[in-house]
Amino acid sequence: GAGVSQSPSNKVTEKGKDVELRCDPISGHTALYWYRQSLGQGLEFLIYFQGNSAPDKSGLPSDRFSAERTGGSVSTLTIQRTQQEDSAVYLCASSLGPSSYEQYFGPGTRLTVT
Amino acid sequence: GQSLEQPSEVTAVEGAIVQINCTYQTSGFYGLSWYQQHDGGAPTFLSYNALDGLEETGRFSSFLSRSDSYGYLLLQELQMKDSASYFCAVRIGNFNKFYFGSGTKLNVKP
Repeated sequence: GAGVSQSPSNKVTEKGKDVELRCDPISGHTALYWYRQSLGQGLEFLIYFQGNSAPDKSGLPSDRFSAERTGGSVSTLTIQRTQQEDSAVYLCASSLGPSSYEQYFGPGTRLTVT
Repeated sequence: GQSLEQPSEVTAVEGAIVQINCTYQTSGFYGLSWYQQHDGGAPTFLSYNALDGLEETGRFSSFLSRSDSYGYLLLQELQMKDSASYFCAVRIGNFNKFYFGSGTKLNVKP
């Protein structure tokens, strides 16, 4: 079946612009995660959605970052007034439910802020 | 806060056995996962340990000692395709929140 998809695969933007990154999780997966991975680094947790519950936003690095999930499916991560340090690969993952430990990752969006 | 430590890089020869260690300091520990990531690719799930002991899945095994806050991933009969980065991740509470280590780059040489 279809895996997690993300768009765009690459995004180059100028400093100060806003960007939106999209994630389509696996159908039926109620849990959705966003991570950020800088070059050669580990995955930095950003935000976690579970069903219709309030998201866990504890990993968002600043108030320039926000995310929403519509209808319990597609999610959008928005970065306002982008800075050069926002340049990274943004990975989305989904899992079956709140007790499922296996996450399925999308291919990521490579964001470059010039 | 959470902290995980794993070696930054490991080199081994094809056919050998390699162990990648992960030590962690965290509150609310619930389990330890391992993921593989090839260059330019997405992380893929390898294993998960919630209880002490060894879990075996083909050539890969994962071990956890909760009392020592320590785990490892064991790769046997190494193949060139095993060259990748390997991440350990701790699961916090029962909220499905995960914190990842910085990864270990495994280089498999012929």
